[in-house]
Amino acid sequence: QVQLKESGPGLVQPSQTLSLTCTVSGFSLTSYSVHWVRQHSGKSLEWMGRMWSDGDTSYNSAFTSRLSISRDTSKSQVFLKMNSLQTEDTGTYYCARGDYGYNSYYFDYWGQGVMVTVSS
Amino acid sequence: DIQMTQSPASLSASLEEIVTITCQASQNIGNWLAWYQQKPGKSPQLLIYGTTSLADGVPSRFSGSRSGTQYSLKISRLQVEDIGIYYCQQASSTPNTFGAGTKLELK
Repeated sequence: QVQLKESGPGLVQPSQTLSLTCTVSGFSLTSYSVHWVRQHSGKSLEWMGRMWSDGDTSYNSAFTSRLSISRDTSKSQVFLKMNSLQTEDTGTYYCARGDYGYNSYYFDYWGQGVMVTVSS
Repeated sequence: DIQMTQSPASLSASLEEIVTITCQASQNIGNWLAWYQQKPGKSPQLLIYGTTSLADGVPSRFSGSRSGTQYSLKISRLQVEDIGIYYCQQASSTPNTFGAGTKLELK
């Protein structure tokens, strides 16, 4: 069945780089997009960026120049790298699969999320 | 960016009651609107996509509708398992944006 699982360090120091991995199973990265979504504690969801099925990427301009998304299709993994971390980057990071329906697009499967704390 | 204004922020309702949550898009998004439910400590789960289509396994008491740029999620008869936070999301343009969420509690 379709699964996504995030992994990465739970604690990152300010000004350092966050590196997260989303490992997927049950589908191919060359057939579906994978998105990264952040959630501050008790807050709403914030779309960060996307790895398209063709290998292209899209980013939220709020993270431009700090954020990079890449993938390794042979390992079914999508990577998030974000530099210059600040305390405001503390939150739970999710990866999610994007799919199309008729005149629609949605995130049909989500990972469990990985909590990241930015603190010295 | 397209803003999604969701209301109410919180809602207390009784079992079997009808519940309605709305999202107002700041511009035309067509039917590129999805609804998610998030339970405490869990990841969001897709409820409705394309404004009105139920995701697999979602009970028929959930429904979605649209009037212009206002979108609604309706729960026809509230059940205990429906408690959680609900988010709308527009996927018409990048960045995809979410509403602020509606926290649904039992009265």
